[in-house]
Amino acid sequence: DVQLVESGGGVVRPGGSLRLSCAASGFSFDDYGMSWVRQAPGKGLEWVSGINWDGGSTAYADSVKGRFTISRGNGKLYLQMNSLRNEDTALYYCARDRIEQWLYFESWGQGTLVTVST
Amino acid sequence: EIVLTQSPATLSLSPGERATLSCRASQSVSYLAWYQHKPGQAPRLLIYDASDRATGIPARFSGSGSGTDFTLTISSLEPEDFAVYYCQQRGSWPPVVTFGGGTKVEIK
Repeated sequence: DVQLVESGGGVVRPGGSLRLSCAASGFSFDDYGMSWVRQAPGKGLEWVSGINWDGGSTAYADSVKGRFTISRGNGKLYLQMNSLRNEDTALYYCARDRIEQWLYFESWGQGTLVTVST
Repeated sequence: EIVLTQSPATLSLSPGERATLSCRASQSVSYLAWYQHKPGQAPRLLIYDASDRATGIPARFSGSGSGTDFTLTISSLEPEDFAVYYCQQRGSWPPVVTFGGGTKVEIK
């Protein structure tokens, strides 16, 4: 069975940094594209960033471009989040794609909560 | 950036009724999916490429449409189908993903 387990969430002050991790198991991690998707309290889903199978191609939502960096390696997906803002407060999901790039999100983790607050 | 507008925002129906959810794009899209999301759970992929059911999805879920207008139909609502539904697209270039605002299907 596909398993995705996120970690690294917590409470951070505005302007601070956090690194999220997603441990993947039950499938060949290097064959699939991966993404981070978030949901702010009371809001809908928002795609944050995607990375292809070998890490050679990435993309970001305008809301996080220049502040967040996605990467992958050793069966894990990462999201380095810098210059955090109040509006980055959300549940962050790791999602595996159906194919080698980011397109459709076939499997999801349970999420890790990030709270940006003074 | 392509904007996806879902309607209605809320759909109040009874079990056994047919649900028709709409997703309209601000410009033509090539890749369109639908997800189901229940509170406290991870989202679930229902439909991809506008009309293909994902693995394990019951036949009562169907997707249709092309270009800028897409529809998710649930032919006969089961109790477990009451949830929020999102459409999602990815552009060809830039390859940015956007979600619609969601439609909540609630029990009438």
